[in-house]
Amino acid sequence: GNSVTQMEGPVTLSEEAFLTINCTYTATGYPSLFWYVQYPGEGLQLLLKATKADDKGSNKGFEATYRKETTSFHLEKGSVQVSDSAVYFCALRGGGSEKLVFGKGTKLTVNP
Amino acid sequence: DAGVIQSPRHEVTEMGQEVTLRCKPISGHNSLFWYRQTMMRGLELLIYFNNNVPIDDSGMPEDRFSAKMPNASFSTLKIQPSEPRDSAVYFCASSYTGGPVETQYFGPGTRLLVL
Repeated sequence: GNSVTQMEGPVTLSEEAFLTINCTYTATGYPSLFWYVQYPGEGLQLLLKATKADDKGSNKGFEATYRKETTSFHLEKGSVQVSDSAVYFCALRGGGSEKLVFGKGTKLTVNP
Repeated sequence: DAGVIQSPRHEVTEMGQEVTLRCKPISGHNSLFWYRQTMMRGLELLIYFNNNVPIDDSGMPEDRFSAKMPNASFSTLKIQPSEPRDSAVYFCASSYTGGPVETQYFGPGTRLLVL
């Protein structure tokens, strides 16, 4: 079945550091890929998405590229801010299904 | 414009009591999802509806859990009887099925504590 594996947290960075959170997936066909972010005490919000190979999703300085050859969708940001502190979830939606399959989440803390 | 609305935001109850969680999806959305989030198990899909019809309830833990969607603007998740292991944050999400890539929008969640 479909599954998502993302790097274990927590991740602690200083402000303006470079961020990478790894995400790899297993799926049949051509899934759509997502990154969601959850700020403390809130629900999940869509951060970015990509629907086909080599697509790059981007939002708020975050980027992720759909790599079919490595089945990956790593999240990157060049310079993190304290306000980026949150839990980040990688997810996929398999072809023909409405169900999202989530990774376990990676907690990011950015210190000033 | 209002997002997904959930109530109550917090619920504390005693073991054995009935708990009802409520969700109002975004107007115009035709799919609704119930999730449970715990530290141990992460985010789990419990059930989802399309056009008010349950499509997949394979994630519902056991018969103590039930969900209904009587109309396009309202859904409930009921636990009867509740147990301490049901303590979690329950999220409702909605989406419009039919667009180019369906995006799920999450509510703020209901934090349930069963004593």
